[in-house]
This record gives sequence, C-alpha cells and structure tokens, in this order.
Amino acid sequence: GQNIDQPTEMTATEGAIVQINCTYQTSGFNGLFWYQQHAGEAPTFLSYNVLDGLEEKGRFSSFLSRSKGYSYLLLKELQMKDSASYLCAVRDSNYQLIWGAGTKLIIKP
Amino acid sequence: NAGVTQTPKFQVLKTGQSMTLQCAQDMNHEYMSWYRQDPGMGLRLIHYSVGAGITDQGEVPNGYNVSRSTTEDFPLRLLSAAPSQTSVYFCASSYSENGDEKLFFGSGTQLSVL
Repeated sequence: GQNIDQPTEMTATEGAIVQINCTYQTSGFNGLFWYQQHAGEAPTFLSYNVLDGLEEKGRFSSFLSRSKGYSYLLLKELQMKDSASYLCAVRDSNYQLIWGAGTKLIIKP
Repeated sequence: NAGVTQTPKFQVLKTGQSMTLQCAQDMNHEYMSWYRQDPGMGLRLIHYSVGAGITDQGEVPNGYNVSRSTTEDFPLRLLSAAPSQTSVYFCASSYSENGDEKLFFGSGTQLSVL
C-alpha cells in the first residue's frame, strides 16, 4: 500500500531551527508538497519538490531525496506564528495526492 | 478574488438526513476536489473534477455525490448522513504552473452527524 510517515508532534524554541521529516512509499512519484495548517484553518501551500535537492523560500526550505523516499522541511528563525501542523503529500503515478497525517509543531518562547 | 468559498462552516445533522456542502471558486481553475480530514489521518480524497461536466471518485466516495455543471461550482451531497461521516470537509481547487500544482483550500466545514 501507499504510506506517508511523519512525526506526530514536535516542540521547538522561538528563534531556533527545526527539521520535520517525511518518508514515503508510493506507487510512482510525481512531486512532493508541504502545506501548513493552523488549528481550525485550511491548509496553505508551502513548497513543491520534484527533483532531488534543496528548495529555499525565505525562512523555509524543503529537501528531497527520491532514491531514499525522503523529504524534510526546515524552518529557521522560528516565530510563534509558525505553531501549526505541517502536512507532507506525495503525488503518485496516477497524479493523485497521498497525504501524511501531519506534524503538529509547538513553538515555546 | 475571493478564492475558494465553502459553506456552511458548521453543520449538525441527524442520522439519515441529507445535505449539500457548497463550494465555489473564482480563479477559473479546472481542477476541483473534496477532502475529508479526520484526527490522526491524512486528508482523504472523496471526489474530484478535472473540468465542467467531468467528475470522478477518490479514495472514499461512498455516501457522497458530486456534480460539476460549471467551472466555478462543485457541490458535495451527503445522501443519507451517518455518524462515520462526522469530519471536517475541505473543498480545494488548483492550477498547474510548470508542474507545480498548488491547491487552494476553502475554509472548511465541520460536520457532526448524531
């Protein structure tokens, strides 16, 4: 079957750096996405990786290794507003998105 | 642009009742979809549409119907509500730019079936 694994919850300190990992086993691969979801709100798009390597967007970076079925989202200079769930999703060979359950990130002052 | 407008935000139903969740987008996106989100699980695709007049089933379609008569609207119908359909529902639309398919989500509907 298809599977996306990410940690259920992580805690980090304001101003620090945190890395959220995502491993996947899917039938085919056509891109990996990261979304941010604040409590009670809709997910919003953060990043997209289809080739191996690091994509940087301001304080957020996303890395992909297709051979290892692995991605991570790196958040730098953490702010309290970064407290949210982070969803990893993979587009499979049928171009359908398979979603992880999300990682709840708690930022402490 | 309003983006994706989804109504209602909250709904309580009794078992066996039917209802329609409304979804409209003003971004001229061809692709629209409905997801449900349950605690401890990833988003699960219910139905999707790649354009007006075209719909298809996702991972968990049973108990739900959709139609797509216009590019803008994609309503989701619960035929006979069951407690297992208690969930948060999200409508989404998307475009593809250089393969980078960004989903734009509505604000969600929290549905409770008693």
